[in-house]
Amino acid sequence: DGGITQSPKYLFRKEGQNVTLSCEQNLNHDAMYWYRQDPGQGLRLIYYSQIVNDFQKGDIAEGYSVSREKKESFPLTVTSAQKNPTAFYLCASSIDRKGNYGYTFGSGTRLTVV
Amino acid sequence: QKEVEQNSGPLSVPEGAIASLNCTYSDRGSQSFFWYRQYSGKSPELIMFIYSNGDKEDGRFTAQLNKASQYVSLLIRDSQPSDSATYLCAAISSGSARQLTFGSGTQLTVLP
Repeated sequence: DGGITQSPKYLFRKEGQNVTLSCEQNLNHDAMYWYRQDPGQGLRLIYYSQIVNDFQKGDIAEGYSVSREKKESFPLTVTSAQKNPTAFYLCASSIDRKGNYGYTFGSGTRLTVV
Repeated sequence: QKEVEQNSGPLSVPEGAIASLNCTYSDRGSQSFFWYRQYSGKSPELIMFIYSNGDKEDGRFTAQLNKASQYVSLLIRDSQPSDSATYLCAAISSGSARQLTFGSGTQLTVLP
């Protein structure tokens, strides 16, 4: 079945530690996105990539980094510079670079600082 | 800052009633609008999109768009308890960097 796979489902980070969230899609979609969702709030864009080896900052990129070395993969690293990383992280993809048909979301990774 | 605003609710309706969810957007250049449903603890799933002024119907769902008023709505007819979820409105931003901007969501509860 085609879809977006995010792993792990739950992740615990210690203070000062970098962690990487995985996102893989087999939909052959061009564009991929990372969003963050805090309780009771909407989704805020962290980074997006419309083509391989290129990505752009979203509204809240500080403390995060990404790479897009393959069309299928768009991992997100939460660095120690991100002071409040506890949130629900959602990866998404769109069939075209402009998102004209909406986004398909993965099942999410819930990150908690311990 | 281009924004999408929704009534945060919560909204409660009895089973079988019509649920009406509303959304306004600030970017007059936005052309495409989406409604997502998000169950508690789950990821959003796309239920409707609309590009043209007027109504678009899909089963029990009707999306309405009024570009002059910068207003989008979602009607759910014959509401069921399984419709209880948070509904997110989203708009594609205008300009070269086009991404979905989401509202904060409206929590809907359908009472049996």
